[in-house]
Amino acid sequence: DAGITQSPRYKITETGRQVTLMCHQTWSHSYMFWYRQDLGHGLRLIYYSAAADITDKGEVPDGYVVSRSKTENFPLTLESATRSQTSVYFCASGSGGRQETQYFGPGTRLLVL
Amino acid sequence: AQKITQTQPGMFVQEKEAVTLDCTYDTSDQSYGLFWYKQPSSGEMIFLIYQGSYDEQNATEGRYSLNFQKARKSANLVISASQLGDSAMYFCAMREGYSSASKIIFGSGTRLSIRP
Repeated sequence: DAGITQSPRYKITETGRQVTLMCHQTWSHSYMFWYRQDLGHGLRLIYYSAAADITDKGEVPDGYVVSRSKTENFPLTLESATRSQTSVYFCASGSGGRQETQYFGPGTRLLVL
Repeated sequence: AQKITQTQPGMFVQEKEAVTLDCTYDTSDQSYGLFWYKQPSSGEMIFLIYQGSYDEQNATEGRYSLNFQKARKSANLVISASQLGDSAMYFCAMREGYSSASKIIFGSGTRLSIRP
């Protein structure tokens, strides 16, 4: 399907486990982003990527790892999940065009027990 | 540092009335973009409207308009003739620069509830 997809949509895991959230976009956008959404905080940027093999930290990167070996994929890994990482995670992409918005995936709801 | 402030955690409005959602921002950059997104209960983020810092006219998209007051650093969203389907969370957001490559920061949101 065209657009931006995330998998899984829902995930329950335990403290200390490694979890990988997947993000895939079909627009060949150069730029991709990971946000987390928590009550009272809106969306906060975790990591972003300007192109394949180029990533940089956002506002709240601790406890997360990203990679981007292909333009269309931008997985987010929680190396050792903690309860504070219970959140809704949104992936977004953008072409870098002037005045263009970022396009958001449907989100992944993650519960860490 | 960039900052977005939405001072209304929740609002109730009668159907068919107009509603204004407040947003103020802080930036030292001259080039920036302002966005509004809608998040219904289903959870997806829906782009509504965009205003560039150099745009002289207020942005409009259907029933949505952005009341941009640059000197006051405010970017309020106005929804005319509200509908029941407008009930949702609304987020104001800003990025420095004009490119979608730039990072976007979000306000904490306003929950809008439309009464029939």
